[in-house]
Amino acid sequence: TQLLEQSPQFLSIQEGENLTVYCNSSSVFSSLQWYRQEPGEGPVLLVTVVTGGEVKKLKRLTFQFGDARKDSSLHITAAQPGDTGLYLCAGGNRDDKIIFGKGTRLHILP
Amino acid sequence: NAGVTQTPKFQVLKTGQSMTLQCAQDMNHEYMSWYRQDPGMGLRLIHYSVGAGITDQGEVPNGYNVSRSTTEDFPLRLLSAAPSQTSVYFCASSYSTAGYSYEQYFGPGTRLTVT
Repeated sequence: TQLLEQSPQFLSIQEGENLTVYCNSSSVFSSLQWYRQEPGEGPVLLVTVVTGGEVKKLKRLTFQFGDARKDSSLHITAAQPGDTGLYLCAGGNRDDKIIFGKGTRLHILP
Repeated sequence: NAGVTQTPKFQVLKTGQSMTLQCAQDMNHEYMSWYRQDPGMGLRLIHYSVGAGITDQGEVPNGYNVSRSTTEDFPLRLLSAAPSQTSVYFCASSYSTAGYSYEQYFGPGTRLTVT
């Protein structure tokens, strides 16, 4: 069974600080997605990474896919209160089952 | 485009009742899926479909049925509701790329309580 483990589970930091959250697995994934979810809403896609070692930037967010395609990280520079939310990683493979990690709940204090 | 729509938004059932959660998408996506989200458990895949007439089980399929008669619709049926099925249910759809990269679009969710 493929599993995606996210860490930390909770993170509360001050506005302006930097942070990194992680998504790890013992399995190889053909692609990995990061989503953000706000209370009462469905998850919204942030980025997809498909190539080992790939780095993608979305404004202050930097996403990296591990060389072996088993892990990924999300780095936020100068966090803002608008970054608050639940961050989920999801892995896809050729069996068509997309699985999610349990998420990192991020709270940015003004 | 409406994207992914789900009805109802809220539902309360008694143990043993049955019901169908509706999901529709207007993006002509081949791939559709159902997840449940419980506190501390993340999103768990219930059933998924890679096209009309094709469905398969996810991680937690027991107690749920699905069918996919059209590309647009993917209803989820609870056969005999149990308190353990109290959850928030999300439907999602996506296109499939050559790299098996499924970028999913989610509906707003159905909050189900079984008493």
